Amino acid sequence: LAKTTQPISMDSYEGQEVNITCSHNNIATNDYITWYQQFPSQGPRFIIQGYKTKVTNEVASLFIPADRKSSTLSLPRVSLSDTAVYYCLVGALADNNDMRFGAGTRLTVKP
Amino acid sequence: DGGITQSPKYLFRKEGQNVTLSCEQNLNHDAMYWYRQDPGQGLRLIYYSQIVNDFQKGDIAEGYSVSREKKESFPLTVTSAQKNPTAFYLCASSPAANYGYTFGSGTRLTVV
Repeated sequence: LAKTTQPISMDSYEGQEVNITCSHNNIATNDYITWYQQFPSQGPRFIIQGYKTKVTNEVASLFIPADRKSSTLSLPRVSLSDTAVYYCLVGALADNNDMRFGAGTRLTVKP
Repeated sequence: DGGITQSPKYLFRKEGQNVTLSCEQNLNHDAMYWYRQDPGQGLRLIYYSQIVNDFQKGDIAEGYSVSREKKESFPLTVTSAQKNPTAFYLCASSPAANYGYTFGSGTRLTVV
């Protein structure tokens, strides 16, 4: 079970790029990296998933170095509405043992 | 639209009573999950089910029970054995574990 470590909180300003890093030193060969976003009193929302190198969608980019022991979620030009908690999950697809969420990173975007 | 529905949104329970939280999905997902979230904390896994008529305990299953009689439904019962049930409960589904979870909007349970 790959354990993840993220910063507890981060602050940013509107229009800036935000990078949130997740450490997963004991990631296994079959593990994927998935990020979720959660607003207060709502369920988390899937943002992006990747295995290696770089993945980009309309919301964010995910950078994964060659050793895969960490990953970075990049949010371009954040706005106030990006204030939320961001969770990094690591686990193998269809693996019943890897469905644990950590404490996440609380991102606060300021005007 | 496909999605996952939790009801009710708010629920109040007297001490010593059992209460059942509903979770329904029309995404045709095989896997369903229940998580508990306390204020300012992350999500903790209560139970999960990969197929109908089968479910497994998560990290904090004591005081909770579930059933999975239909693919679409995964109700959670909070029993009187759960000593501190006041929390935000989230249900999720996915095609299979780690393929990307779709969460419901949650049920906030308060014991009065």
